[in-house]
Amino acid sequence: GAVVSQHPSWVICKSGTSVKIECRSLDFQATTMFWYRQFPKQSLMLMATSNEGSKATYEQGVEKDKFLINHASLTLSTLTVTSAHPEDSSFYICSARGEGFSYEQYFGPGTRLTVT
Amino acid sequence: GQNIDQPTEMTATEGAIVQINCTYQTSGFNGLFWYQQHAGEAPTFLSYNVLDGLEEKGRFSSFLSRSKGYSYLLLKELQMKDSASYLCAVMDSNYQLIWGAGTKLIIKP
Repeated sequence: GAVVSQHPSWVICKSGTSVKIECRSLDFQATTMFWYRQFPKQSLMLMATSNEGSKATYEQGVEKDKFLINHASLTLSTLTVTSAHPEDSSFYICSARGEGFSYEQYFGPGTRLTVT
Repeated sequence: GQNIDQPTEMTATEGAIVQINCTYQTSGFNGLFWYQQHAGEAPTFLSYNVLDGLEEKGRFSSFLSRSKGYSYLLLKELQMKDSASYLCAVMDSNYQLIWGAGTKLIIKP
């Protein structure tokens, strides 16, 4: 159990366009979802935390108008990278946490974004 | 500030044992996690410690000392597939995960 999926697994887009990444909890209700970014050979960097039905809480230095997060249901959160630039190219990973778990976060497989 | 320290890289031999240390200073403590991450993939859960002591799970064990702000992950009977990065993360008083930079483990035949 506790499976999290992400779509797409990889995407290439042109500079200036927007990209939407979906994160779904397949067999549990995710009260909280997290979005991370990871650059090569670096650790995970938390971008934002979202709770179902409320606005996301962004980490310092993360532009909320550029990285739009929506957590409309207990099984789906989306991250939209708006007006993408080459420096946004990274590995984006979501994780989800449900009630009743020992605060463990279940990770999606990640989305590799390349902006050309 | 909050800080998680772990070695950047370690090398070990197939079949041997390796211990990856993690020290932490956080505002509050609600448990320590170890995750394994292969290159290009998302992290996978290995262990969770919230009480002092050793938790054993097959070839992997994790130890915690809250008074020392210290944990280690012990990997026995190393296999080539264990080559990966190992991430230590502490859950603080706000139930937020604070991540270490990860330890890249290289297994040699």
